[in-house]
Amino acid sequence: LAKTTQPISMDSYEGQEVNITCSHNNIATNDYITWYQQFPSQGPRFIIQGYKTKVTNEVASLFIPADRKSSTLSLPRVSLSDTAVYYCLVGDIRINKFYFGSGTKLNVKP
Amino acid sequence: GAVVSQHPSRVICKSGTSVKIECRSLDFQATTMFWYRQFPKQSLMLMATSNEGSKATYEQGVEKDKFLINHASLTLSTLTVTSAHPEDSSFYICSARWLDRGPDTQYFGPGTRLTVL
Repeated sequence: LAKTTQPISMDSYEGQEVNITCSHNNIATNDYITWYQQFPSQGPRFIIQGYKTKVTNEVASLFIPADRKSSTLSLPRVSLSDTAVYYCLVGDIRINKFYFGSGTKLNVKP
Repeated sequence: GAVVSQHPSRVICKSGTSVKIECRSLDFQATTMFWYRQFPKQSLMLMATSNEGSKATYEQGVEKDKFLINHASLTLSTLTVTSAHPEDSSFYICSARWLDRGPDTQYFGPGTRLTVL
């Protein structure tokens, strides 16, 4: 099972771009990388998922290098409401094998 | 789309009683649902995988006789905490896997806060 490592916390200011990196050295061939956002006392919310290279949607981008041993979630122009915990999940949900990291607490300041 | 609900959102019970938590996928069919537990300031811990029409698969260290899981339909899974004790107090979250829509991922419910007195 591919374990993940994320920074415990990060600080940013409104309007800045934030990049959160997740290390997953033991990622398996069929594993996908998924990022979630969680606010206190709420369930995680899906942000983005990728397998390799770059994925972009309306809220974020996900960069995955060729060796797939890490991934970077990029949040453009964060606002105060982006203050939350961000989790990197690596695994293959099709065989119910995945690992939730410890999460990165992002604190966005005015 | 991809809405998952949980009921109740919050429950307080006395030690020794049993508590049932429902997880529903409202706008899609979920052959697989997952149950997690989350303690304050910690990550989510997978407790079990629930498959429709079959027995749940429990993670190591999770007592299957204490945490009863039933996945009776494609839209409903229940978690029953039997003979609850204060150490079972936690935030319980379910998720559902949506097969028919890419990406193949899981969508989470809002969670249930269980407090055992």
